[in-house]
Amino acid sequence: GAVVSQHPSWVICKSGTSVKIECRSLDFQATTMFWYRQFPKQSLMLMATSNEGSKATYEQGVEKDKFLINHASLTLSTLTVTSAHPEDSSFYICSARDNGGDYNEQFFGPGTRLTVL
Amino acid sequence: GQNIDQPTEMTATEGAIVQINCTYQTSGFNGLFWYQQHAGEAPTFLSYNVLDGLEEKGRFSSFLSRSKGYSYLLLKELQMKDSASYLCAVSDSNYQLIWGAGTKLIIKP
Repeated sequence: GAVVSQHPSWVICKSGTSVKIECRSLDFQATTMFWYRQFPKQSLMLMATSNEGSKATYEQGVEKDKFLINHASLTLSTLTVTSAHPEDSSFYICSARDNGGDYNEQFFGPGTRLTVL
Repeated sequence: GQNIDQPTEMTATEGAIVQINCTYQTSGFNGLFWYQQHAGEAPTFLSYNVLDGLEEKGRFSSFLSRSKGYSYLLLKELQMKDSASYLCAVSDSNYQLIWGAGTKLIIKP
C-alpha cells in the first residue's frame, strides 16, 4: 500500500525559532500533498494544499508567511513554521494523494507533534 | 455552504454492531471516504463509496445514498481496538476533501 512518512515525529522548540517538517511519499508520486493541523479533541483542519512545482494554496485564516510550504519534488513537501509561538503547538499531519490509486484517496503521514515552549 | 454532519460520540459493547451515520451537503461529489483515527495518531483509510450501495470489507461496511446525501459505516463484531474516532469526508467537485468533525466510538467490555 501507499506509504507516507513524516519527519520529525515530535519536536520541542523555543518560542521564536523555526521548525521544518518533511512529508515524503515513499512508494508513489504525489503531485498534490495536504497539510493539516489538529488540536486536541478537535477535527482535522486543512491548512494548505501543496502542488508540486507551484505555490501552495492556503486556507482562509492561515498565514502563508508563517507557514511556508515547499513542494519541490513529486515525493517531498516541507512545512516550515517560522517564528513559532506556544499557540502553534499542535499535531501537524500531512497527506498525499495517490493519483494512480484506485480511489484517488489521501494517505496520511504519522503526524508531527510540535510543542513550542 | 459545505457541511458534513456526524454524531460526536457513540458507545457500543464489545462483540456488538454499531452504525455511524454521516450526512453531507457539498458542491459537487466525487466520492465519500471513511477514515479511522486512534488518539494521537494520523487517520487511516477505511473505505470509499462513489456509487449508491453497500461496500463490504471484512468487519467493516460502508453504505452510500447520493440522492439522500447520506452514508453510514457499519462495524460488526466490535473489538476493543475499534475504539477510535471515525471521520467521514467527501470529495467535492475540485477533488478537495471536506471533513466531518469525527465520531468518537467508545467500546465497552
